[in-house]
Amino acid sequence: DIQMTQSPSSLSASVGDRVTLSCRSGQSINIYLDWYQQKPGQAPKLLIYAASKLHRGVPSRFSGSGSGTDFTLTITSLQPEDFATYYCQQSYTTPYTFGQGTRLEIK
Amino acid sequence: QVQLQESGPGLVKPSQTLSLTCTVSGGSITSGSYYWNWIRQPAGKGLEWLGRIYTGGSTNYNPSLESRVTISMDTSKNQFSLHLNSVTAADTAIYYCARDMGYPNYFDFWGQGAQVTVS
Repeated sequence: DIQMTQSPSSLSASVGDRVTLSCRSGQSINIYLDWYQQKPGQAPKLLIYAASKLHRGVPSRFSGSGSGTDFTLTITSLQPEDFATYYCQQSYTTPYTFGQGTRLEIK
Repeated sequence: QVQLQESGPGLVKPSQTLSLTCTVSGGSITSGSYYWNWIRQPAGKGLEWLGRIYTGGSTNYNPSLESRVTISMDTSKNQFSLHLNSVTAADTAIYYCARDMGYPNYFDFWGQGAQVTVS
């Protein structure tokens, strides 16, 4: 299985801040990396697919980059609704695997 | 707009079989080149992909569960199902069904999740 490691595990930030979340895969996954946002009691929601493609309806303050083994999700100008847990997931090969998540909290 | 809805028993006894159904509305599960997936999440923990079934009926499973898991499709009801046998407390989780677009692969539609407790 391809191991996915996210950092940091948790992050405190303020509304209006710019934050960067990282995800590293145990082997090269080309660009096959997706990002999801999950709020308590809800299913995950797709934000970014194929490393940098914004899913329809997702605000443009979200962006993704990277290829190979290192990826980032950047949120510019944090909004109150952005405080949630973020997961990366490799879609390069099955079994698909997720990172352990980064919890984004209000400072 | 595609919608997915999980259904099934919320409580399963140890050693028995966990069975869940995902009903898809807003589109046929046999159209397009989609994969229909099951993913679970123990309380307070991360996400684990369990397996998927293709529009054409072929399946892929997580090797960590492969001997216990079966995913099937009922095209007449526009549903797909998860069966996980010989369950233990470690299988207690929220179970989600989700659609995978195919290529590139990503989960664009999810069900709301079904809590299953093994006790």
